[in-house]
Amino acid sequence: QVQLQESGPGLVQPSETLSLTCTVSGGSISSGRSYWNWMRQPAGKGLEWIGRMYSSGSTSYNPSLQSRVTISADTSKNQFSLKLSSVTAADTAVYYCAGGGRYWGQGTLVTVSS
Amino acid sequence: DIVLTQTPLSLSVTPGQPASVSCKSSQSLPQSGGKTYLYWYLQKPGQPPHLLIYEVSNRFSGVPDRFSGSGSGTDFTLKISRVEAEDVGVYYCMQATQTPLTFGGGTKVEIK
Repeated sequence: QVQLQESGPGLVQPSETLSLTCTVSGGSISSGRSYWNWMRQPAGKGLEWIGRMYSSGSTSYNPSLQSRVTISADTSKNQFSLKLSSVTAADTAVYYCAGGGRYWGQGTLVTVSS
Repeated sequence: DIVLTQTPLSLSVTPGQPASVSCKSSQSLPQSGGKTYLYWYLQKPGQPPHLLIYEVSNRFSGVPDRFSGSGSGTDFTLKISRVEAEDVGVYYCMQATQTPLTFGGGTKVEIK
């Protein structure tokens, strides 16, 4: 069973960069034809896809966030990471990492506030 | 972007009765390798979405057989044959066949 766990600061200053890491267990992020996603969900609202990284290392981002998003991997630690720059209050949300569409982390709340 | 429209927005169901949620796509979901990547999730308060159905009609591991998925092209349906109290929450469809991945707006299911 693949398990994912998000980690990172829960509070980010406006205009700064949000950085989160997803640690994967029970499966390798670099094996097979897998892809690894970041999603987010503002309180009381629906789900938004941020972007994904393929097992090959290539990435794909939501055009609405593309200019601010970077997803990268550390295969030695079986982790992949999200960086979202120039954050505003609108980026306050629960952030989830997910393996394909099947396995989701528990999510981590990130609040953008001074 | 592919827009997924879920109906109804909310559903109140008597235990033991069936329920159905529709997910309509703004364009026909293409197949990739013979598969249509349409998923159904249940999200309970304070929890991440939990996968119920993948690739339109395949039940995920451990999901009760009262849940079923069907559809093709632009019309997809999640059916619960006999609703139980533990089925309350918000149901979402998601397409992963074309980027950006997109979600339906959600259907809230409650028990009468």
